[in-house]
Amino acid sequence: EDKVVQSPLSLVVHEGDTVTLNCSYEVTNFRSLLWYKQEKKAPTFLFMLTSSGIEKKSGRLSSILDKKELFSILNITATQTGDSAIYLCAPSGGSYIPTFGRGTSLIVHP
Amino acid sequence: DVKVTQSSRYLVKRTGEKVFLECVQDMDHENMFWYRQDPGLGLRLIYFSYDVKMKEKGDIPEGYSVSREKKERFSLILESASTNQTSMYLCASSSYEKGNEQYFGPGTRLTVT
Repeated sequence: EDKVVQSPLSLVVHEGDTVTLNCSYEVTNFRSLLWYKQEKKAPTFLFMLTSSGIEKKSGRLSSILDKKELFSILNITATQTGDSAIYLCAPSGGSYIPTFGRGTSLIVHP
Repeated sequence: DVKVTQSSRYLVKRTGEKVFLECVQDMDHENMFWYRQDPGLGLRLIYFSYDVKMKEKGDIPEGYSVSREKKERFSLILESASTNQTSMYLCASSSYEKGNEQYFGPGTRLTVT
């Protein structure tokens, strides 16, 4: 059975702080790992990672995958209140169906 | 832009009613999914479909059925709604050719009283 563990479950920071969100996984025949951001609506896609050690970057957000140690991290630098959301990690294996973690709830105070 | 739409944003039904939730995508994606999302439990897969008329059970199919008569449309059916099916229901679609990134609809918040 595929497993995904995200940590921390929740995080409260102030604007300008840098945060690191963690995702460890056990997936048979790993294909890719997706990160999503969910505000008070449906999840929106952030990154897809397939190769170890290659950083994906979008503005203040970046993510990297370690296929040997079976984890991924999502970094957010200089956080803003608009970053407040639930961040979901979803690796997929041979079936191509993502397994979602429970998410990390991030709250950024002004 | 990929667009996934769901028939209702909010729905209130009574226990025992038959409930239909519809999802339509306009990107010719072969894969479609139904999830429910509950606080503390994350997204849980109910059913998915990888082609017209094909369906597969996800992690929590009990109490639900699905229908996919056309490629763009995937329906979730609650045969006899119960209060424990009160939840946020999210539809998603994806394509193998496009890396299986899932595109989500806006969600339907269903309350069963």
